[in-house]
Amino acid sequence: NAGVTQTPKFRILKIGQSMTLQCTQDMNHNYMYWYRQDPGMGLKLIYYSVGAGITDKGEVPNGYNVSRSTTEDFPLRLELAAPSQTSVYFCASSSQGGGGETQYFGPGTRLLVL
Amino acid sequence: AQSVTQLGSHVSVSEGALVLLRCNYSSSVPPYLFWYVQYPNQGLQLLLKYTTGATLVKGINGFEAEFKKSETSFHLTKPSAHMSDAAEYFCAVSVGSGNTPLVFGKGTRLSVIA
Repeated sequence: NAGVTQTPKFRILKIGQSMTLQCTQDMNHNYMYWYRQDPGMGLKLIYYSVGAGITDKGEVPNGYNVSRSTTEDFPLRLELAAPSQTSVYFCASSSQGGGGETQYFGPGTRLLVL
Repeated sequence: AQSVTQLGSHVSVSEGALVLLRCNYSSSVPPYLFWYVQYPNQGLQLLLKYTTGATLVKGINGFEAEFKKSETSFHLTKPSAHMSDAAEYFCAVSVGSGNTPLVFGKGTRLSVIA
């Protein structure tokens, strides 16, 4: 049972380039989330999904897009990379949403935009 | 909307000393409270959580936290620090169920001095 996996681990992008951060979970969880972590700022929710075909914006969605075609996968797309998107990105999943549900996190993708 | 304040971005303790990491929350409805730990270059891992029932919650690695409604606090403690406890710790709050998000504090970095 691998849990939540993310690829790549590290990436350098030039301004204006695009990329997709991959996230896969094998726990059959309905809910999946994307966060970004900036130093001293904690984690901010970018997007989340409550099931295949359903996504919604979080606190900081600008500059990102997501899709959820399967239960297992929840990719995050950056269309025009900007230096402000330099961050560490974490994907997480949970069986249900909100309440006392535990979210399980992947190891993260470190992105540097130059 | 709910929020979390973690007092002290960096806490340093000697090995064997008491660990106390402070967390205060703001919520207009009964909260669910979490502590997550992040070891260097890793994702977040659940330490413990409060949902309902007993207000003193025990977690992994000897950590515990007490929910104090009157003080709107959920401080994390461990009687005796180990070198392996050096990490970043995040307090988080959630309310209700469904699509309500998990809101994180900014984190506290714990250093353990030999």
